[in-house]
Amino acid sequence: DAEITQSPRHKITETGRQVTLACHQTWNHNNMFWYRQDLGHGLRLIHYSYGVHDTNKGEVSDGYSVSRSNTEDLPLTLESAASSQTSVYFCASSGSLAGGSSYEQYFGPGTRLTVT
Amino acid sequence: AQSVTQLGSHVSVSEGALVLLRCNYSSSVPPYLFWYVQYPNQGLQLLLKYTSAATLVKGINGFEAEFKKSETSFHLTKPSAHMSDAAEYFCAVSDDGNQFYFGTGTSLTVIP
Repeated sequence: DAEITQSPRHKITETGRQVTLACHQTWNHNNMFWYRQDLGHGLRLIHYSYGVHDTNKGEVSDGYSVSRSNTEDLPLTLESAASSQTSVYFCASSGSLAGGSSYEQYFGPGTRLTVT
Repeated sequence: AQSVTQLGSHVSVSEGALVLLRCNYSSSVPPYLFWYVQYPNQGLQLLLKYTSAATLVKGINGFEAEFKKSETSFHLTKPSAHMSDAAEYFCAVSDDGNQFYFGTGTSLTVIP
């Protein structure tokens, strides 16, 4: 079955370190998204991509970067981790290579990141 | 700009009682609307979606929602709550089916 996976599921890192969170989908979707979930804020969009080599900033992109070198993966990098980036991170995907939108996003299980 | 407001961050109902979770949206164009459910330590799972077809949408697990354009609402209901319905529920809006805007979520507690 098609799925979307994230790794690691849990990560503890120190302030100032670079961290990369992986997201891999086998839906063959052209759209991929990264969100962070914080109490009282719901899900906020960090970055998104509508295809290979396409990346766009979301609502809370400062301190984060992404790159899209193939259809299946959209890694999220925290250039210099800060305590304010302690959160749960979700990857999602939607759409198809044939174009158009499936009108729904499929979510991964999440990565819980703690910055100490 | 689009936004979603979920009234009530916490809702408690008795088992067997009606579940009503409120969602109001703002959008400059006819929107696509979604309800997602999140169980503890899991990702979000789609409950139902409105994409400009029938205004009453039926989803999984007995949930349904009605799109009311005049009220800019998309409230989620279930006639009879079950213990397994306890979870976090998120309403989301999109004007192009690609970029989503989520509400802050409503935590549903079911009392036995």
